[in-house]
Amino acid sequence: EIVLTQSPDSHSVTPKEKVTITCRASQTIGRNLHWYQHKPHQSPKLLIKYASRSISGVPSRFSGSGSGTEFTLTINGLEVEDAAVYYCHQTISLPWTFGQGTKVEIQ
Amino acid sequence: QVQLQESGPGLVKASQTLSLTCTVSGGSVRSDGYYWTWIRQHPGKGLEWIGYIYYSGSTSYNPSLKSRVSISIDTSKNQFSLNLTSVTAADSGVFYCAGGLVDPSLEAWGQGTLVTVPS
Repeated sequence: EIVLTQSPDSHSVTPKEKVTITCRASQTIGRNLHWYQHKPHQSPKLLIKYASRSISGVPSRFSGSGSGTEFTLTINGLEVEDAAVYYCHQTISLPWTFGQGTKVEIQ
Repeated sequence: QVQLQESGPGLVKASQTLSLTCTVSGGSVRSDGYYWTWIRQHPGKGLEWIGYIYYSGSTSYNPSLKSRVSISIDTSKNQFSLNLTSVTAADSGVFYCAGGLVDPSLEAWGQGTLVTVPS
């Protein structure tokens, strides 16, 4: 099973700040890594797929990069509405796995 | 736009079978390339992949649940379903159905349904 480890576990930031979340895979996964945003009392929302491909309707301040074993989700200019838990997710190998989540809070 | 809606009992007794259904609208469960997926979130925890059924009918399950889980498709109702047998309190959580519509990235999600198994 591929283990995805996110860092940090939580991040307290001010609006307009740049936020970077890292996801490391226990073995190489190419670019088969997706990012989701999960707000309380809502269902998760796909933000980025295949490491860096944007999703229609997702604000351009969200971007992804990386390949192999290290990936990054960047929020350029955090907005209050971005407070959520963010998860990475790999689909190259069964079982599919998720990172443990990174909680982004607004100061 | 594909939309998903979970349905099923919110309370299941220990040792019984948890059965949930996901109704698909705005698309067909037999559309090429679709991955129909179940995800669980234990209270206060992260996301756990339960398994998927591919549009062709092939399935894949999380080994941690493999002996107890099954996912099926009902094309006549445009639904897919989850059965989890011999549940315990540890199976409680919010269950989401989700769809990977052209690839495994989960583009569509249901709103989630809370299932409680009293201890």
